[in-house]
Amino acid sequence: KNEVEQSPQNLTAQEGEFITINCSYSVGISALHWLQQHPGGGIVSLFMLSSGKKKHGRLIATINIQEKHSSLHITASHPRDSAVYICAVKRNRDDKIIFGKGTRLHILP
Amino acid sequence: DAGVTQSPTHLIKTRGQHVTLRCSPISGHKSVSWYQQVLGQGPQFIFQYYEKEERGRGNFPDRFSARQFPNYSSELNVNALLLGDSALYLCASSLEWARETQYFGPGTRLLVL
Repeated sequence: KNEVEQSPQNLTAQEGEFITINCSYSVGISALHWLQQHPGGGIVSLFMLSSGKKKHGRLIATINIQEKHSSLHITASHPRDSAVYICAVKRNRDDKIIFGKGTRLHILP
Repeated sequence: DAGVTQSPTHLIKTRGQHVTLRCSPISGHKSVSWYQQVLGQGPQFIFQYYEKEERGRGNFPDRFSARQFPNYSSELNVNALLLGDSALYLCASSLEWARETQYFGPGTRLLVL
C-alpha cells in the first residue's frame, strides 16, 4: 500500500462545479504540499500545510493531522483548472518526500 | 525575477550512456531537490541538497548522483542509462523544504533508446 493515497484518480466535471480531491497518508509528516501539474510537465506549488486550512482565490486546502487526511477544494471550477493535482508529504522519520500518484482533473466548458 | 531554470529541455540518449542535467534555483534559494516523474505516475524524490550538502536521498541506485555548487545551482548525473530512466526530471528550489513553498522548474524530458 502506498504511503500517500489520492482519490479520485480521475475526475471530469462541468464548469462551475465544486471540486474536492482527497489525500490520505499513513506516516508522520512535518508538512503536506498540494501541487498542480499542467500538460507539458511544469509543476506549481499551490499550498503548504502543517495544520488547519488555507485559501487562495478559488482554492481551499484543509488538513486533519489526527485523521492523516487532507482535501483540496476548487470552487466555481473553470476549464483552465484542468490539470493533475498532486499531494506530497515529507516523512518525519527520515525526511524523505513522498508523492501521491495525482488526480487528473478535466473541467468541461 | 527568473524562476527555476533547467537545461536541456529535451534529451535523447542510448542505453549505457551518461547524462548530466542542470538546474538553476531562484535567486536566494539555497535548497534544490530533484525528482523523477515517469509517464502517468507522480514524481519520485531523488535528492535534496541544501547549502551544498546532500540532505536527503530517495530509493535510487548509485548510478544517480548529484551535486550543488557554491552558487547553489545543481547537477544531476545518471550513469549507465537504462530504458527505464526515460522520464521527466524535475528540479525544485526553496529556502528550506517543508518549511517554505517549493518552486518547480519546467523539467528535462529524457528519452533513453
